[in-house]
Amino acid sequence: QKEVEQDPGPLSVPEGAIVSLNCTYSNSAFQYFMWYRQYSRKGPELLMYTYSSGNKEDGRFTAQVDKSSKYISLFIRDSQPSDSATYLCATRPSGNTGKLIFGQGTTLQVKP
Amino acid sequence: DAMVIQNPRYQVTQFGKPVTLSCSQTLNHNVMYWYQQKSSQAPKLLFHYYDKDFNNEADTPDNFQSRRPNTSFCFLDIRSPGLGDAAMYLCATEGQKLQETQYFGPGTRLLVL
Repeated sequence: QKEVEQDPGPLSVPEGAIVSLNCTYSNSAFQYFMWYRQYSRKGPELLMYTYSSGNKEDGRFTAQVDKSSKYISLFIRDSQPSDSATYLCATRPSGNTGKLIFGQGTTLQVKP
Repeated sequence: DAMVIQNPRYQVTQFGKPVTLSCSQTLNHNVMYWYQQKSSQAPKLLFHYYDKDFNNEADTPDNFQSRRPNTSFCFLDIRSPGLGDAAMYLCATEGQKLQETQYFGPGTRLLVL
């Protein structure tokens, strides 16, 4: 079993839709959770960063962590064609030296 | 302004011909990482430096080496590239607070002929 599971998609939605991207993880020691966005042939860029359980909102993006079910989500409101990219969830345990455990990534396409 | 710079952006090499990829950063971060990312896969950590301390992942092939001559620069050397080494190579940096996040460069796409 992979430490972080993520549905690779692809996920196709119309412009303006609410998008829900999800990951599950297996290790309860994971404390820090991140969402990266990666455009084609580019490096990942950090979108959201959360610690432990709870929600975090930044503009159209909301990150949610449910540690009881080991489930992390990214919601995108009013999706735009420019949101079309691959979204990678990542996590690391507390006290770790820095290694991130990535999900496979979900490819999102927002159609105009 | 670019904070993590990778050169070249695209590299073509021949089977077995050594190749070096470079990464530089303007963030003065003490941790630098090298990841390998194959198509439709998650980035896979190869190794990282905490200052000058080198940390190799257990499953990183010996074919991959790294050098960090100073804080700003880090190099990835592939001694004898095979066809299976064709991938995107990502450099990332991280600051003093390890529980922060990593900043990635744009990546170098390596093609092995």
